[in-house]
Amino acid sequence: DAKTTQPTSMDCAEGRAANLPCNHSTISGNEYVYWYRQIHSQGPQYIIHGLKNNETNEMASLIITEDRKSSTLILPHATLRDTAVYYCIVPGSQGNLIFGKGTKLSVKP
Amino acid sequence: ETGVTQTPRHLVMGMTNKKSLKCEQHLGHNAMYWYKQSAKKPLELMFVYNFKEQTENNSVPSRFSPECPNSSHLFLHLHTLQPEDSALYLCASSQDLGSGGSSYNEQFFGPGTRLTVL
Repeated sequence: DAKTTQPTSMDCAEGRAANLPCNHSTISGNEYVYWYRQIHSQGPQYIIHGLKNNETNEMASLIITEDRKSSTLILPHATLRDTAVYYCIVPGSQGNLIFGKGTKLSVKP
Repeated sequence: ETGVTQTPRHLVMGMTNKKSLKCEQHLGHNAMYWYKQSAKKPLELMFVYNFKEQTENNSVPSRFSPECPNSSHLFLHLHTLQPEDSALYLCASSQDLGSGGSSYNEQFFGPGTRLTVL
């Protein structure tokens, strides 16, 4: 089973920041948090990952709480093309990605 | 261009047919994966290969038979499938296997094969 919980769906206005929360209360101290997204009928796409520090790349920012029990993915200026299912993942014991149901983000004009 | 290609993109087959799905990665990775994504269900890991050796089989029925002739190619052979096997089959690769959650192990996914079993 997935080690994370996420809201089922969220809406965001185009051009605004999208903040996607994730709870991972059972995460171990050395486990990474990964974020992927899946646009309809395509393969998942890696977005960002982090361990303890906040991370930023050209796609998004990842904010991890100090106790590491939750994190937030931030898309700073959401566009219609960001409409997708977003997965927050803590790998399983074998290092495999265990996908939950994710958050369906709908960016609206 | 993700560096991982899958063919065919769409496949319709009868329950008595035998078909194969092909995955090829151009990234120089050592690990390859097959996932299944059924309607309204999360992605399910099916098989994992590392350096051409199968390291994981997630209780997949024997009507699905993987083959990994080299680190760049991965096949999924299908025979006597059932209608409930209709799904999106995704291939992925990574540089190496992750060891628990404590090592970076980004996976690159192909576009998938949409399989319909009649």
